[in-house]
Amino acid sequence: DAGVTQSPTHLIKTRGQHVTLRCSPISGHKSVSWYQQVLGQGPQFIFQYYEKEERGRGNFPDRFSARQFPNYSSELNVNALLLGDSALYLCASSLEQGLGYTFGSGTRLTVV
Amino acid sequence: EDKVVQSPLSLVVHEGDTVTLNCSYEVTNFRSLLWYKQEKKAPTFLFMLTSSGIEKKSGRLSSILDKKELFSILNITATQTGDSAVYLCAVGTNYGGSQGNLIFGKGTKLSVKP
Repeated sequence: DAGVTQSPTHLIKTRGQHVTLRCSPISGHKSVSWYQQVLGQGPQFIFQYYEKEERGRGNFPDRFSARQFPNYSSELNVNALLLGDSALYLCASSLEQGLGYTFGSGTRLTVV
Repeated sequence: EDKVVQSPLSLVVHEGDTVTLNCSYEVTNFRSLLWYKQEKKAPTFLFMLTSSGIEKKSGRLSSILDKKELFSILNITATQTGDSAVYLCAVGTNYGGSQGNLIFGKGTKLSVKP
């Protein structure tokens, strides 16, 4: 079985640009969460989606948005990129909210 | 403010040593405590603990939760170089309006020397 897949694996963007990151959950998993991990820190919660609805939002500016599609895949969008947005963006899926999470390998975003 | 604190932040040991990693937490709506191992990118799941005093074991790794004192420990016996990684502790809460999202500590970087 495929695990959680994220694309792209690496990305370099310029300040002010927009970026879209993609996540495909494990088959049958209905919940997708996004986390940002800055170097040397633990992952920080950005969004949770369950059954295509936003169910939780962390302390991130409105430049960050996300959505979940009918097939439960998800996109994370970041507008007006700042240097401080450089991080590893992790997607995690779970069968239901609050149960065990499986993480993808992440997208390494570098903003220059 | 909800927080998860791990100690030590880094640790260097030799193969065969036993290590204990610590995780303390202060959260409003505790649901579970999880341990992950992160080698390069994807954190990989080790344990989920919800009840106090019940040790979970997987090979050379074990973990226990104390909900009264609000901490957990992760033990690794007979360490091997393949155990070198960052070990992340996370608490599942209702943070951010969701159900069961994770608040992570900064991690403990374990280096095992041959």
